[in-house]
Amino acid sequence: DADVTQTPRNRITKTGKRIMLECSQTKGHDRMYWYRQDPGLGLRLIYYSFDVKDINKGEISDGYSVSRQAQAKFSLSLESAIPNQTALYFCATSDPNYREGNTQYFGPGTRLTVL
Amino acid sequence: RKEVEQDPGPFNVPEGATVAFNCTYSNSASQSFFWYRQDCRKEPKLLMSVYSSGNEDGRFTAQLNRASQYISLLIRDSKLSDSATYLCVALGMAGTASKLTFGTGTRLQVTL
Repeated sequence: DADVTQTPRNRITKTGKRIMLECSQTKGHDRMYWYRQDPGLGLRLIYYSFDVKDINKGEISDGYSVSRQAQAKFSLSLESAIPNQTALYFCATSDPNYREGNTQYFGPGTRLTVL
Repeated sequence: RKEVEQDPGPFNVPEGATVAFNCTYSNSASQSFFWYRQDCRKEPKLLMSVYSSGNEDGRFTAQLNRASQYISLLIRDSKLSDSATYLCVALGMAGTASKLTFGTGTRLQVTL
């Protein structure tokens, strides 16, 4: 089984709808991240969390919110989706106690299309 | 100017060839560097870290040149399975937190 899972894997929605993307991990890592990937722009950090009580904005947090329900779960919400939020979304984890502590372990991604 | 810049490619090379990618970074305070590999429509995966002294992992060699602020990845004896996008990543600081900045990737296509 995959260590980092994301649901749904694909989603098509309409402008103005609320969408939640979910991420679960079995790696036991405290740190979790949400990124989006757009052609020509690379991966950009939306939000990150270093433990259950810690939530931080990344470089492009506007229009998004997150919830860290447990160590293993980190969800991303789009309160009112807009077309320029169409992208590939990745969840990732890391473990600072590991020798390569900055290594990011990515989930398989969620392809979101907002019409 | 982007913080991490890469030639998007594609680099089309025959099997068995040697190919090199460069990546430049603008933040001289960047602390660590990495190469990730991303297959089409898949998640990025760590290929290797880049150490100041340079490091090798099988057919892959990574080099760091801090004076010129660039990182390189050399792939020897290319395989068809090396076809992917290679992301250059720099670790720096954003306030008190560390921050990873990803390049947009260089696409490699290895052909028969």
